[in-house]
Amino acid sequence: QKEVEQDPGPLSVPEGAIVSLNCTYSNSAFQYFMWYRQYSRKGPELLMYTYSSGNKEDGRFTAQVDKSSKYISLFIRDSQPSDSATYLCAMSLISSGSARQLTFGSGTQLTVLP
Amino acid sequence: DADVTQTPRNRITKTGKRIMLECSQTKGHDRMYWYRQDPGLGLQLIYYSFDVKDINKGEISDGYSVSRQAQAKFSLSLESAIPNQTALYFCATSDARTGTDTQYFGPGTRLTVL
Repeated sequence: QKEVEQDPGPLSVPEGAIVSLNCTYSNSAFQYFMWYRQYSRKGPELLMYTYSSGNKEDGRFTAQVDKSSKYISLFIRDSQPSDSATYLCAMSLISSGSARQLTFGSGTQLTVLP
Repeated sequence: DADVTQTPRNRITKTGKRIMLECSQTKGHDRMYWYRQDPGLGLQLIYYSFDVKDINKGEISDGYSVSRQAQAKFSLSLESAIPNQTALYFCATSDARTGTDTQYFGPGTRLTVL
């Protein structure tokens, strides 16, 4: 079993739809949670970062973390064609004095149709 | 100019050849990473470096080696390339001073081993 599971999709939605992207994880020691967006032929770029349970909002994007269920989500409101990309969840452990190695999900490919 | 650059962007090589992928950054970050990305597997860490004198193996380091020539330069070598090393390779950087270790990715190198 992978430490981080992510539905690979592909997911196709009409413009304006609400999109829900999800990851589950097995290691309860993960404390930091990130969402990266990767456009075709580009490197991943950080979209959102959180380290606590609950919701964090940034414009049309909301990141949700439920540590008791080991489940994280990214919601995209009023989705746009420019949101079409692969979305990767990533998480890391608390560590003192050393780089936090990221464990990535396999990514969900999203297409928003005009 | 891009903050994290990778050369070459595309490379086709033959089994048994030695190949080097290079990464340079102008972000002033102390930490650098090499990942590979395969379809359906997400990003897997090959090696990471906290500073010029520090090199650490990641989860899939076999068949790879690295060199941190300067704070801004981190190269990845395949001593004897094999076809299952065909993948997309990403370099990333992070800044320990921020406390979050958010990683910033380069544009990637697409490597094909025939």
